[in-house]
This record gives sequence, C-alpha cells and structure tokens, in this order.
Amino acid sequence: GAVVSQHPSRVICKSGTSVKIECRSLDFQATTMFWYRQFPKQSLMLMATSNEGSKATYEQGVEKDKFLINHASLTLSTLTVTSAHPEDSSFYICSAAQGFQGYGYTFGSGTRLTVV
Amino acid sequence: AQTVTQSQPEMSVQEAETVTLSCTYDTSENNYYLFWYKQPPSRQMILVIRQEAYKQQNATENRFSVNFQKAAKSFSLKISDSQLGDTAMYFCAPSQGGSEKLVFGKGTKLTVNP
Repeated sequence: GAVVSQHPSRVICKSGTSVKIECRSLDFQATTMFWYRQFPKQSLMLMATSNEGSKATYEQGVEKDKFLINHASLTLSTLTVTSAHPEDSSFYICSAAQGFQGYGYTFGSGTRLTVV
Repeated sequence: AQTVTQSQPEMSVQEAETVTLSCTYDTSENNYYLFWYKQPPSRQMILVIRQEAYKQQNATENRFSVNFQKAAKSFSLKISDSQLGDTAMYFCAPSQGGSEKLVFGKGTKLTVNP
C-alpha cells in the first residue's frame, strides 16, 4: 500500500528559530499533498495544500510567511515553521493521495513540535 | 464553508458488540467522496472505509460498514464484533466538492471495553 513518511516525529526548538518538517511519498508520486495541524484532543485543521512545482494554497487565517511550504518534487513536500513561538507548538500531519482522490488519502505519522 | 457534525464526542462499547457512530454534513455538490478515518493513540491516521456519493450501495469493509443517506446528508459508521484494537478517535471526512480537500468532523472517541 501507499506509504507517506514524515520526519522528524518529534522536535524541540527554541523560540525564534526555524524548523523544517519533511513529508515523503515513498512508493508513489504525489502532485498534491496536504498539511494539517492538530491541537490536543481536537480535530485536524487543514493549513495548506501543497502543489508540486507551484505555490502552496493556504487556508484562511494561516500565515503564509510563518508556515513556508515547498513541494519541489513529486515525492517531497516540506513545511518550515519560521521564527517559531510557543503557540506554534502542536502536532503537524501531512497527507497525500495516490492517484484518484476517491481512493482516500495516506497520512504521515505526524510531527510533534514543541517550542520552548 | 462545509461543516461536518459528529454529535457523539465519546462512546463506549463492550468487546464483540456492535456500535454505530453518526456523522452529518452539508454540501451543495452532487458528486463527492466520504471517508471514515481512525486515529489510535499512536496518532497515525488510518483509512477505515470510503464511500462514493454517486453510489447508492453502502460500502462495507469486513467488520465496518456505512449507512449512507445522501438526501439526509448522513454517513454513519457501524462497527460489528468490536475489538479492543478498535479503540481510537474516529473522524468523518467528506471531500470538499470540486477539490481534493477533506473536511474533518470533530471526532468521536470510541473505547472498546473487555
């Protein structure tokens, strides 16, 4: 089956620094990937749609300059949290569709970001 | 914006019994897809079952089945012969019409008791 690898699984960074999260489709090509944020005991909130070779599409209220998304190849999308603050601490998850969207999406295992 | 309502924040069921999780949504689209995902304590999102809106037949996947009522915009999940490994958060997620986006409900925390 389709596998999406997400790294790192956990990261702790200092306030003001930047951290990059990688999302890779291991056995399929993904022209579109999605980035979500999940607060404790809450649902997934879509942050942005990552499109290979073009700019990401951000959801309303998501700061484009804080959450930089790059989708440089058909198998890799990255999310960079810039100038991180403690309120950016959260669980970030990526997903990708293998071909036809009706088949569902495969999710990465998530990244727990803690900003201290 | 599309909304998804899962009216049961928490549910519990005894092992081997049957439980039904409810989901309602709103959409103006005619063709779309609906999914149930589970998120166990590991937090890995796992696809449970999917339904194509233009198909009248309810989807089934082993112990999991759905009751899809398109006119009522209802998409409930039935778990038969519940197992301890079914303990997880369950999210209903219809696709947003015309795009590949999924809209997630707030989830139902299901606990299967031995």
